[in-house]
Amino acid sequence: EPEVTQTPSHQVTQMGQEVILRCVPISNHLYFYWYRQILGQKVEFLVSFYNNEISEKSEIFDDQFSVERPDGSNFTLKIRSTKLEDSAMYFCASSQNNEQFFGPGTRLTVL
Amino acid sequence: KQEVTQIPAALSVPEGENLVLNCSFTDSAIYNLQWFRQDPGKGLTSLLLIQSSQREQTSGRLNASLDKSSGRSTLYIAASQPGDSATYLCATWAGAGSYQLTFGKGTKLSVIP
Repeated sequence: EPEVTQTPSHQVTQMGQEVILRCVPISNHLYFYWYRQILGQKVEFLVSFYNNEISEKSEIFDDQFSVERPDGSNFTLKIRSTKLEDSAMYFCASSQNNEQFFGPGTRLTVL
Repeated sequence: KQEVTQIPAALSVPEGENLVLNCSFTDSAIYNLQWFRQDPGKGLTSLLLIQSSQREQTSGRLNASLDKSSGRSTLYIAASQPGDSATYLCATWAGAGSYQLTFGKGTKLSVIP
């Protein structure tokens, strides 16, 4: 069964460093998303992406964040200068007919 | 702004029991509602999607209902098994140009053998 994949599974970085989280959405899906979940809290929406542009973003998705679809399969989330509060589980998702399918997540730890 | 609440936060039941998980939302103008399962430290697995025109969906031992007018959804699990132990999340989608899912905090289910 097709699934969303994410790499790496765990990323440790120093505060102020740039990180890139990678996702491969399900191949025939057209909508892509990033969400995050801080430990013990709700899953929060960050951004949605369609037709090579951002379709919606939350207040969390400030200028430190960017997304890109560099080729026909990958979808990336970049955090330019990480902060301690960026430590969270980051989930990529994709959808075709309204149902969103999530990847296993990348646990980002900022020291 | 949509708020999604799930009660109880945690539930422990003996194996074989039928159970109901509750989800409520403040804005009834939703397009659909999706139930997920999350195992510790893992991703979200989609269980059921209920479109706004539907009142319920079934998959195996799972049945989810949706009452938009009252802002409620329930997930019914029949004949619970230890493998059902996980956190169950509900999420609403507003549609109408919005793409984001709004999640509840989840109900952590423990099924005791």
